[in-house]
Amino acid sequence: GAVVSQHPSRVICKSGTSVKIECRSLDFQATTMFWYRQFPKQSLMLMATSNEGSKATYEQGVEKDKFLINHASLTLSTLTVTSAHPEDSSFYICSARRSGLPNEQYFGPGTRLTVT
Amino acid sequence: QQPVQSPQAVILREGEDAVINCSSSKALYSVHWYRQKHGEAPVFLMILLKGGEQKGHEKISASFNEKKQQSSLYLTASQLSYSGTYFCGTVNNQGGKLIFGQGTELSVKP
Repeated sequence: GAVVSQHPSRVICKSGTSVKIECRSLDFQATTMFWYRQFPKQSLMLMATSNEGSKATYEQGVEKDKFLINHASLTLSTLTVTSAHPEDSSFYICSARRSGLPNEQYFGPGTRLTVT
Repeated sequence: QQPVQSPQAVILREGEDAVINCSSSKALYSVHWYRQKHGEAPVFLMILLKGGEQKGHEKISASFNEKKQQSSLYLTASQLSYSGTYFCGTVNNQGGKLIFGQGTELSVKP
């Protein structure tokens, strides 16, 4: 159990367009989901915390108008990168915290975004 | 606050042991250990919650000191499959955010 999926796994888009990434918990309910970004050879940096039914909480330095997060249900959170630029190219990884088991956090397989 | 990991990188021969450290300036709620292979998502190894706790099995284990400010990951008799980047993630309080250290790149050579 405790599987998290992400879609798409890879996406290439042109500069100025928007891209939506989905994160789903397949076999459990997740009240809280997290979005991380990882540049090559670097650590995972937390971008935002997404709580079902409420507004996301963004980390310092992350533009909330550029990275739109929606957590509409207990199994789905989406990250939309708006007006993408080449510097947004990165590996985006979501994770989900199991409702009622706040210590456990499961990661999705990641989405490789390339902006040309 | 990001935890500090050391060493940054380590190269081992198959069968050798390694220790990776993770430290915080403040007492933590929990420490999580992950291994990440290139181009893949991190894979959960274990979580430590209690001061003085030791966890894992013979080959891969971890400890959490009494003050809950320092954790170590022990890799014994390393195998080629152990290669990857190891991250510790720390949570400051119950329900808090998981923040990752800088990572330790481990290479196991034949």
